[in-house]
Amino acid sequence: ETGVTQSPTHLIKTRGQQVTLRCSSQSGHNTVSWYQQALGQGPQFIFQYYREEENGRGNFPPRFSGLQFPNYSSELNVNALELDDSALYLCASQGDYSSTDTQYFGPGTRLTVL
Amino acid sequence: DAKTTQPPSMDCAEGRAANLPCNHSTISGNEYVYWYRQIHSQGPQYIIHGLKNNETNEMASLIITEDRKSSTLILPHATLRDTAVYYCIVGRANTGNQFYFGTGTSLTVIP
Repeated sequence: ETGVTQSPTHLIKTRGQQVTLRCSSQSGHNTVSWYQQALGQGPQFIFQYYREEENGRGNFPPRFSGLQFPNYSSELNVNALELDDSALYLCASQGDYSSTDTQYFGPGTRLTVL
Repeated sequence: DAKTTQPPSMDCAEGRAANLPCNHSTISGNEYVYWYRQIHSQGPQYIIHGLKNNETNEMASLIITEDRKSSTLILPHATLRDTAVYYCIVGRANTGNQFYFGTGTSLTVIP
């Protein structure tokens, strides 16, 4: 158990809709990263939040956005869903941005876009 | 883009040591080597990480070459539950660890 939880476990949406995925980090972890994992691929870095500010972004369009809250929870929002957004979405938390500790992943949310 | 290269698949007999190689020839001086594994679409599970010295924990050992351009993850006594995809990642521990995963090595432990 990593202490990182995600909800919902599974989700089905229609193309063009919007979705919000949620993550609860370990208490005290002020850095959270989100990843997208398509079937048969490794996870791809979407963005990272540190103390409620976006701290880095991978090669994802602006319709992928996020929020981080003071209570160690965070959200990933995706607008105008496309079929290719179907994937496992993972969040990972880290004790501190400057820590030599590693990231701990949640179980993921499986999103299917029809 | 991923900064590591791993073989796509490996087999290992149950009870034997599994040695998983990783090349990271462009690693920088302040970058760590991390290993994770993922079992059937669960979240990746942390195994071990290191900078330049060999590391060991209850799960595995990490051997990093002196020039730091490659490493080997060793599972000393592989069990069927070790069947998974293993990812080797290079990241800067003190700058938030924005990991770029490759496609990993699919390890199959054979009875």
